[in-house]
Amino acid sequence: DIQMTQSPSSVSASVGDRVTITCRASQGISSWSAWYQQKPGKAPKLLIYGASSLQSGVPSRFSGSGSGTDFTLTISSLQPEDFATYYCQQANSFPLTFGGGTKVEIK
Amino acid sequence: QVQLQESGPGLVKPSETLSLTCSVSGGSVSSDSYYWSWIRQPPGKGLEWIGYVYDRGSTNYNPPLKSRVTISVDTSKNQFSLKLSSVTAADTAVYYCASVTRGYHIDYWGQGTLVTVSS
Repeated sequence: DIQMTQSPSSVSASVGDRVTITCRASQGISSWSAWYQQKPGKAPKLLIYGASSLQSGVPSRFSGSGSGTDFTLTISSLQPEDFATYYCQQANSFPLTFGGGTKVEIK
Repeated sequence: QVQLQESGPGLVKPSETLSLTCSVSGGSVSSDSYYWSWIRQPPGKGLEWIGYVYDRGSTNYNPPLKSRVTISVDTSKNQFSLKLSSVTAADTAVYYCASVTRGYHIDYWGQGTLVTVSS
């Protein structure tokens, strides 16, 4: 199985800040990764797929980059509605696996 | 737009079988466009993919759960189902049904249903 190691596990930030979350795969997965946002009591929501493709309807302040083993989710200017937990996922092969999550909290 | 809705008991006794159903609208479980999947999330923890049913019956399960999981499809009702046998407290989680694309990312999720394993 491909392991996804996500960091940091939590980050405190203010509205308007730039936030970067990273994920490392245990083996190369080309661009086969995705990012999700989850708010309390809700299902995850797809933000980014194919490492850098923005899902329809997702604000452009979200962006993804990376290939091989290292991937990054960037929120260019944090908004109040962005405080949530974010997960990466490898989309290279089954079983699908996820990172441990990054909680973005209000500073 | 695909919509998914989980249904089933919220409380299951230890050693018994957990059974959930996912009703699909806006898409067909007969389609080969999606791997119809179950994913779970223990309270306060991360996400675990359980398995999928694809193209009217092919299945694939996460190895740690493989001996206890069955996922099946009912094309007449446009539903797919999860059975997890011999449950323990460690199986307490929010269970989501989801559509996994051919690119292996998850574009639609059900709202999730909490299943508690307790006597």
